[in-house]
Amino acid sequence: DTAVSQTPKYLVTQMGNDKSIKCEQNLGHDTMYWYKQDSKKFLKIMFSYNNKELIINETVPNRFSPKSPDKAHLNLHINSLELGDSAVYFCASSQDRSGGAYEQYFGPGTRLTVT
Amino acid sequence: GQNIDQPTEMTATEGAIVQINCTYQTSGFNGLFWYQQHAGEAPTFLSYNVLDGLEEKGRFSSFLSRSKGYSYLLLKELQMKDSASYLCAVKAYNFNKFYFGSGTKLNVKP
Repeated sequence: DTAVSQTPKYLVTQMGNDKSIKCEQNLGHDTMYWYKQDSKKFLKIMFSYNNKELIINETVPNRFSPKSPDKAHLNLHINSLELGDSAVYFCASSQDRSGGAYEQYFGPGTRLTVT
Repeated sequence: GQNIDQPTEMTATEGAIVQINCTYQTSGFNGLFWYQQHAGEAPTFLSYNVLDGLEEKGRFSSFLSRSKGYSYLLLKELQMKDSASYLCAVKAYNFNKFYFGSGTKLNVKP
């Protein structure tokens, strides 16, 4: 059983297109995240949801819009894709309550290539 | 803000011990985590420290000194499969944010 799954694993698209990445976790966690890992392997947080509520929204272009239909799912929609959006996008989840120190579980990543 | 520093790359020999350091400056510290990431794969959790001292988990140990803003990951009896990037991450108290360092690429040689 896959704890955190993402689809698609690879996404190749042209500039200006709109695309979505889906994430699901079956761990019963309360919090889900989206991270972007660039070519230098730097992992940067983008968004976080806790029980379907947006709690972290880092300085990300508003072309990126997350959506959490329920606490097991967190999707990422990207409008008007640009070359600089090319990266690996990781979804993660954790059992975070009241600021406790819980580790994150990561999905396999979605490698987005914008041409 | 958050500032996390790790060496970019290290090389060690199979069977040896290697220590990967991480220094951080943060507000609202709520734990330091270590993750392993093999090329092309997702990060996987290794260990975490909230209080000062050493946490041991098999071949891996992690140390934390909050007053110095310093942590290290110690890998013993290195194996070839330990070749990977090791990411140091600091958790901020507000809103459960995790801030990752850029990772240390460890190359294990025969």
